[in-house]
Amino acid sequence: RKEVEQDPGPFNVPEGATVAFNCTYSNSASQSFFWYRQDCRKEPKLLMSVYSSGNEDGRFTAQLNRASQYISLLIRDSKLSDSATYLCVSNPDTGNQFYFGTGTSLTVIP
Amino acid sequence: EAGVVQSPRYKIIEKKQPVAFWCNPISGHNTLYWYRQNLGQGPELLIRYENEEAVDDSQLPKDRFSAERLKGVDSTLKIQPAELGDSAVYLCASSLAAVSYNSPLHFGNGTRLTVT
Repeated sequence: RKEVEQDPGPFNVPEGATVAFNCTYSNSASQSFFWYRQDCRKEPKLLMSVYSSGNEDGRFTAQLNRASQYISLLIRDSKLSDSATYLCVSNPDTGNQFYFGTGTSLTVIP
Repeated sequence: EAGVVQSPRYKIIEKKQPVAFWCNPISGHNTLYWYRQNLGQGPELLIRYENEEAVDDSQLPKDRFSAERLKGVDSTLKIQPAELGDSAVYLCASSLAAVSYNSPLHFGNGTRLTVT
């Protein structure tokens, strides 16, 4: 079983829509979680960390549900520039390891 | 602050040839990672260094892949001989010694390898 699992999509949404991605993780002892954004033919870049209490950064909201072992990313008022692949990442408590999901592809349509 | 630097950006080689990739991490980052990313997949760890010590190389195909980080700073990943299935993007990343929300992973821009 993979450490982190994501729905690869693709998600095609119109501008202004709200879209949500979920990601499940298998290691209940995982401590830190992140969402990375990856544009086509570019390297992954940190979008936001996912705190236990949930956190918001502008149009982006990340949440953690430890009981069900999933994290989510909500994007409100989607922009064309949000089109990218979103990677879910977990860091277990066994060292400096980062496990990546396969990524969820988002295309925002005019 | 300079980011993670990788070279070359692109490499095209014939199968059975050797190839090497270089990475310089962010200054002060003790942990260095080499990932491989295939199309439509997330990055998969090949090897992780803490300073000059390889602490996780369980996913490195040791029959043809080797890596070194001699002085605990920059690193080289080598493939010899390359196979068609090695075509992928090779990403180097670094982080501070103690992972936390304040010290996530930072990637270089990768080396896109094509084996023909």
